[in-house]
Amino acid sequence: GENVEQHPSTLSVQEGDSAVIKCTYSDSASNYFPWYKQELGKRPQLIIDIRSNVGEKKDQRIAVTLNKTAKHFSLHITETQPEDSAVYFCAASIWDKLIFGTGTRLQVFP
Amino acid sequence: DAGITQSPRHKVTETGTPVTLRCHQTENHRYMYWYRQDPGHGLRLIHYSYGVKDTDKGEVSDGYSVSRSKTEDFLLTLESATSSQTSVYFCAISESQGNYGYTFGSGTRLTVV
Repeated sequence: GENVEQHPSTLSVQEGDSAVIKCTYSDSASNYFPWYKQELGKRPQLIIDIRSNVGEKKDQRIAVTLNKTAKHFSLHITETQPEDSAVYFCAASIWDKLIFGTGTRLQVFP
Repeated sequence: DAGITQSPRHKVTETGTPVTLRCHQTENHRYMYWYRQDPGHGLRLIHYSYGVKDTDKGEVSDGYSVSRSKTEDFLLTLESATSSQTSVYFCAISESQGNYGYTFGSGTRLTVV
């Protein structure tokens, strides 16, 4: 069935370094790829998304890249800050629903 | 807040009892979803709705049923709660199918003892 794999499951970086989270999806019909950030005890919140007709999208320190041929997409966070510490989820659209990855716990150490 | 509220926020129930969780939205969005969140599994889709009285199963629908009699309300029912259904349940809404970001509710933490 539809599947989204996310790696790594945990990621620790020093403040100011970059962080990269990678996802792969199985359904070639997927055309929408959002990323969510979930702080401890809070709801997941959309931080950036990309559609299949775009290869890269940036929003300040956050960027997402998409390789449709390889069915890969990635989240890049530059100049990480302690407030970036959270769990990040990728997702891929399958018709009228989103399938989520298993999450990456990012810890940014001062 | 975000136009979507879940109730209750926390619930403890006994094995074998029925439980209903409510999701209420004020955004008039057509699509509503129920996910469960468990460590190591991320967010898994239980059921979703694409309109009043129109629902479909997700990847982990066994033991759950849903109803949507009004645009604004989507109910999730655990017919006979089991310990494996202890989880955090999130409702989400979307204005369009599959290619727009969701807005999530604050979640319901359910413990089955």
